[in-house]
Amino acid sequence: QLQLQESGPGLIKPSETLSLTCTVSGGSFNSPSFYWGWVRQPPGKGLEYIGTIYFTGSTYYSPSLKSRVTTSLDTSKNQVSLQLTSVTAADTAVYFCVRGQRSHPPYFDSWGLGTLVAVSS
Amino acid sequence: SYELTQPPSVSVSPGQTASITCSGDKLGDKYACWYQQKPGQSPVLVIYQDYNRPSGIPERFSGSTSGNTATLTISGTQAMDEADYYCQTWDSGAAVFGGGTKLTVL
Repeated sequence: QLQLQESGPGLIKPSETLSLTCTVSGGSFNSPSFYWGWVRQPPGKGLEYIGTIYFTGSTYYSPSLKSRVTTSLDTSKNQVSLQLTSVTAADTAVYFCVRGQRSHPPYFDSWGLGTLVAVSS
Repeated sequence: SYELTQPPSVSVSPGQTASITCSGDKLGDKYACWYQQKPGQSPVLVIYQDYNRPSGIPERFSGSTSGNTATLTISGTQAMDEADYYCQTWDSGAAVFGGGTKLTVL
């Protein structure tokens, strides 16, 4: 059974860099059939796409976050990482790790439980 | 930037059919998928590539697309279907989500 587990600080200060890790277990992390990504949800609001990373290392980001986002893969640890720089209160959200099926078009078939990150001084 | 528009809320009586729409420019050319999210839980994929249903999703969930609108239909709606529903597509390599629709089963 595939499991995606997000981890990271629950509270960070404005202007700092948010760093999250998603550990994947029970699935084919290194398979070229999948890609990995991040979606966030501010409290009481809708879903917002952050970015995705493919097995090849190719990345795609939301145009609105592109200048502040970096995702990476650590295949030796089955982990996907997210870095978001210069955070503000608007970045307060539940951050979900997702797996996508590499089809046309792709779709997110597995989601982590999510981790709440609050930005506050 | 590309936008998907959903009604904020839809109400349905138990056993009736619920329809949730999602509109976007040339959405019919892009394919849509749908996610169900219950309070405090992660989203769950219920429809992908316009009308395909993942294994484990009840047959009462169906999807269709026509022109600029994708529609999620829930036939014989049950109380357990009360949730937020989000449509999603892709534009220029990035995923785009609709604003979400709260389905209330009265």
